[in-house]
Amino acid sequence: EVQLVESGGDSVQPGRSLRLSCAASGFSFDDYAMHWVRQAPGKGLEWVSSITWNGLNIGYAASVKGRFTISRDNVKSSLFLQMNSLRTEDTALYYCVKDRLPTVPDAFDFWGQGTMVTVSS
Amino acid sequence: QSALTQPASVSGSPGQSITISCTGTSNDVGNFKLVSWYQHHPDKAPKLIIYEDSQRPSGVSHRFSGSKSANTASLTISGLQAEDEAHYYCCSYAGGLTLIFGGGTKLTVL
Repeated sequence: EVQLVESGGDSVQPGRSLRLSCAASGFSFDDYAMHWVRQAPGKGLEWVSSITWNGLNIGYAASVKGRFTISRDNVKSSLFLQMNSLRTEDTALYYCVKDRLPTVPDAFDFWGQGTMVTVSS
Repeated sequence: QSALTQPASVSGSPGQSITISCTGTSNDVGNFKLVSWYQHHPDKAPKLIIYEDSQRPSGVSHRFSGSKSANTASLTISGLQAEDEAHYYCCSYAGGLTLIFGGGTKLTVL
């Protein structure tokens, strides 16, 4: 059974940093691209970042580019999101998401339950 | 990059069919066969219901179907059931390893 378990969400002040982690199990992690998708309270889904199976190709939403860094550890079947210079508008539930394919983003076929990040002074 | 355009809400009675549109541009929806659709019930993880414009994942009801014409993708749900009441989101690849979601549509089953 595919499982994606996020952790690392917290309540922080603007300008601080946070590192999200996602532990994957139940599938061959290094065979698939992975993503982070977020949902702000009362808002819709927003794609944040993607990383291909080998970590060589990475994409970011304009809203987080230069502040967030996605990475993966295929040995530990883990996905990460380093979030720097956090803003109040980054407040959201962050989902770790598995892609159907290893390279070009195809579709998000499994989602974790999410970890909440709150940025407030 | 602006979100794909979806109607904020649609409604239908049990047994009826509804269609949700998702309009993008020739840089995203119209340029790749990579539109996907997600069903999202409150306090649950979103669920993939359509991928690559019109493909249905294993286990997803045949009542859900996807199509596309030019820069507009559509999700049709036939034989509406109470459990279909949820938010629905489209998503498209936009090139350069970037993706874009629609704003979401709330489906109400009357």
